[in-house]
Amino acid sequence: RKEVEQDPGPFNVPEGATVAFNCTYSNSASQSFFWYRQDCRKEPKLLMSVYSSGNEDGRFTAQLNRASQYISLLIRDSKLSDSATYLCVVNNQAGTALIFGKGTTLSVSS
Amino acid sequence: SQTIHQWPATLVQPVGSPLSLECTVEGTSNPNLYWYRQAAGRGLQLLFYSVGIGQISSEVPQNLSASRPQDRQFILSSKKLLLSDSGFYLCAWTRARGGEQYFGPGTRLTVT
Repeated sequence: RKEVEQDPGPFNVPEGATVAFNCTYSNSASQSFFWYRQDCRKEPKLLMSVYSSGNEDGRFTAQLNRASQYISLLIRDSKLSDSATYLCVVNNQAGTALIFGKGTTLSVSS
Repeated sequence: SQTIHQWPATLVQPVGSPLSLECTVEGTSNPNLYWYRQAAGRGLQLLFYSVGIGQISSEVPQNLSASRPQDRQFILSSKKLLLSDSGFYLCAWTRARGGEQYFGPGTRLTVT
């Protein structure tokens, strides 16, 4: 099983749609979870941390299921500017670094 | 506020030539520093990380090396580049190991 696994997509949705991305991770001892966003040919940028109780930031909602080792990101009311690759990230077994998934590509069209 | 710089932004180098990429962080002290490579259409591969001056951990054996001569400076080097070294090189910092990381703008390296 890969350390962090994501559906690569692409997800093609119209403006205003709700879209959900899923991610699974292999290390049951992971303690830190994040979603990053990466625009084409740019550096990844932190979108949000993911907490055990789930958390929301505007149109974005992140959920964590430790028992299933599963993380999700929900985007409501998609905007054209949401088009990007979304990276699921967890810390490594030693807790010294982050492991990045390969990303899920989202394309929002008008 | 903290900022992270990388240079150069783009680089085209012939096979067999040396490489030196620099990363500096401003506005914080004793950061944990990381070098990643992202090959075209691929995910981020962790190359090196450092928790302090002179302390380097290598994640992947290869012809690259890293050094941290100062608290907020991290350098990625190679004596002889290979075609497979082409990619997008990203430097990142974090306050705490395992915590959220912040990336520099990256260096796009093409080895010809």
